[in-house]
Amino acid sequence: NAGVTQTPKFQVLKTGQSMTLQCAQDMNHNSMYWYRQDPGMGLRLIYYSASEGTTDKGEVPNGYNVSRLNKREFSLRLESAAPSQTSVYFCASRGTYSNQPQHFGDGTRLSIL
Amino acid sequence: AQSVTQLGSHVSVSEGALVLLRCNYSSSVPPYLFWYVQYPNQGLQLLLKYTTGATLVKGINGFEAEFKKSETSFHLTKPSAHMSDAAEYFCAVRGSIQGAQKLVFGQGTRLTINP
Repeated sequence: NAGVTQTPKFQVLKTGQSMTLQCAQDMNHNSMYWYRQDPGMGLRLIYYSASEGTTDKGEVPNGYNVSRLNKREFSLRLESAAPSQTSVYFCASRGTYSNQPQHFGDGTRLSIL
Repeated sequence: AQSVTQLGSHVSVSEGALVLLRCNYSSSVPPYLFWYVQYPNQGLQLLLKYTTGATLVKGINGFEAEFKKSETSFHLTKPSAHMSDAAEYFCAVRGSIQGAQKLVFGQGTRLTINP
């Protein structure tokens, strides 16, 4: 029962490098989300996708791009990584209705030197 | 718009003692409320949720929470703490509008259990 799968689990980048974080869910959920988690700040929404083919900005979108490749997959791209983007990134998905909870992956721990 | 305030970034209790984690919210529409738990180096796991109906909600691992509209609160409790309860706990709110997407999180409360 995989749920939400994120790859990679850990990554170290140099400033200016680019990379894509991958997320896939097997629950046939319409909505998918990317968050970042920093100490003392809870989870902050970067981007979300309410359905296949749509994406919208969240609270902290600057420096990121996303792609909803299909219903299962939602990727997050850092075009030119900066030390301020050092964080733990979580992907989540949710079913159709607003009263349903989000299901989270185990996170990607990203360090930018 | 919605917001969440968790009172106390760190809470420490003795094993066997009552656990009380406080959450207050604001919402311009009737809220859906959630508590999540995060163990070290893991993602968030749903503990319980309030959507409609009974205001006292029971969740996994012996936790429960009560929705109090007059106090705009959704505090999490457990009668007797266990060492395995040590984790970070997040309260979250979403507006009960069909199609509402954004889940707003509190800043988290780290629970420590003393032997």
